Amino acid sequence: ETGVTQSPTHLIKTRGQQVTLRCSSQSGHNTVSWYQQALGQGPQFIFQYYREEENGRGNFPPRFSGLQFPNYSSELNVNALELDDSALYLCASSFSGANQETQYFGPGTRLLVL
Amino acid sequence: GNSVTQMEGPVTLSEEAFLTINCTYTATGYPSLFWYVQYPGEGLQLLLKATKADDKGSNKGFEATYRKETTSFHLEKGSVQVSDSAVYFCALSERNYGQNFVFGPGTRLSVLP
Repeated sequence: ETGVTQSPTHLIKTRGQQVTLRCSSQSGHNTVSWYQQALGQGPQFIFQYYREEENGRGNFPPRFSGLQFPNYSSELNVNALELDDSALYLCASSFSGANQETQYFGPGTRLLVL
Repeated sequence: GNSVTQMEGPVTLSEEAFLTINCTYTATGYPSLFWYVQYPGEGLQLLLKATKADDKGSNKGFEATYRKETTSFHLEKGSVQVSDSAVYFCALSERNYGQNFVFGPGTRLSVLP
C-alpha cells in the first residue's frame, strides 16, 4: 500500500510569485485535505477536496486554491506569495464514509518565500 | 468554534520516566480525538485515536482515554525512550461541512538518556 506522497520536498520562491504543490493520496482514499504549518505551530486547515470539489475551507484567502483530479491526487496553488506564506504544507488523505475518518499525512513541502 | 488546548512545552524527561501530556478540547458536537506525532523534518504520523466517550486509544505503549465529562484526551506513557523525542499534537475531527482536523499547538518532548 502506497502512502501519501508530496512534491516537491522543498521550494524557494520570491514574494509575488505563484506556486503549485502536489499530493498523491493513499491508495483507496478519495478525500484530500491541505494544511499549513508555520514554524513551531500546529497545522492549520486550508481546505478539503472530495470527488473533485471543495468540501470545506478554513480561514485562508482566495489566493489559496486547489484541485482534485479523477485519480484523487490534488494540487494546492498559492498566488501572489507573501513572506508569511513560508511554512510546511501538509497534505492528508482519507476515505469518506459514514464514520469519522482518520487522515494520513504526507511528509510535507517546505516553502520559503523571500 | 472547535478548539484544542495542549500543555505548553518543551517537556524534558529522563529515559524510563512517566509521561503525561494534557489535552483539552472544545467542540459543538461529538468529535473524534487523535494524537499525532511529528519527528524532526517529517510529516505527522497517527499515534492513536478514540471515536467516542470512554474509548481508550493505544499504540506503542502510549494511551489516551476520551473523557467527555472533562473534555479531555490526555496522552500517557509509562516509560519513555530517547526515540520518543518528538512533537506531539492533539487534534479533533468533527463531521460537518467538510471534515477537517483542528490541531493543538503541539508539545515538544525531549527524552534524555
